[in-house]
Amino acid sequence: KAGVTQTPRYLIKTRGQQVTLSCSPISGHRSVSWYQQTPGQGLQFLFEYFSETQRNKGNFPGRFSGRQFSNSRSEMNVSTLELGDSALYLCASSWGQLGSTNYGYTFGSGTRLTVV
Amino acid sequence: GNSVTQMEGPVTLSEEAFLTINCTYTATGYPSLFWYVQYPGEGLQLLLKATKADDKGSNKGFEATYRKETTSFHLEKGSVQVSDSAVYFCALTTGGATNKLIFGTGTLLAVQP
Repeated sequence: KAGVTQTPRYLIKTRGQQVTLSCSPISGHRSVSWYQQTPGQGLQFLFEYFSETQRNKGNFPGRFSGRQFSNSRSEMNVSTLELGDSALYLCASSWGQLGSTNYGYTFGSGTRLTVV
Repeated sequence: GNSVTQMEGPVTLSEEAFLTINCTYTATGYPSLFWYVQYPGEGLQLLLKATKADDKGSNKGFEATYRKETTSFHLEKGSVQVSDSAVYFCALTTGGATNKLIFGTGTLLAVQP
C-alpha cells in the first residue's frame, strides 16, 4: 500500500511569489490535513479537508489556502510569500473512527520550502 | 484549550541506557494520544498510540501508557540504540469536528556509542 506522497520535496521561491504544494493520501483515506513545521513555532496545524470540504482551519493568515479534489488529493497554496513562510510543510492522511484501535494519521515526507 | 507539554531536550544517553521522555497533556473530552518520531530530513513516523485510558502502546521496544489520572503519556525504552537518535513528538487529538493533531515541542534524543 503506497504511503502519503508529497511533491515536490524541495522548493526555493522568492518573496512575493506564490507556491502550490501537492499531497496524495493513502488510497481510501478521505481526510487530509496540513501542518507547518518551523524551528521557532514547532508543528502547527494549517487546515484539514474531508470529502472536498475544509472542515478545520488553524490560525494562519488568508495567504494560506487549500483544496481537495474528488480523488482525495489535496493542494495547498501560499500567496505573496514571506521569508517567515520558510518551513517544512507536512501532509497527513487519517483513517478510522476516533476511539477505535485503528484510528491514526500517516504523514508524508514533507515539502521543504525556502523563501529567499 | 488542548495542549501537550514535553520535557525539554536534548536528551543524551549512552547505548543500552534506559530512556524516558515525559509527556503530559491538557484536553477536554477523551483524546487519543500518539508518539511520533522524526529522523533528520524526514517526515513524521508514527511510533505508537493509545486511544483510551490505561491503554499501552508499544512498538520497536518503545512503550507508553495512557494515564488519565495523571494526564500523562510518557515514552520509555529499556535499552536505546544509536539508531534511535531522532526527535520525538508527543501529540493528541480529540478528533470529530476538530480532527487535528496538537503536538508537543519535540525532544531531541542523541544516543552515543
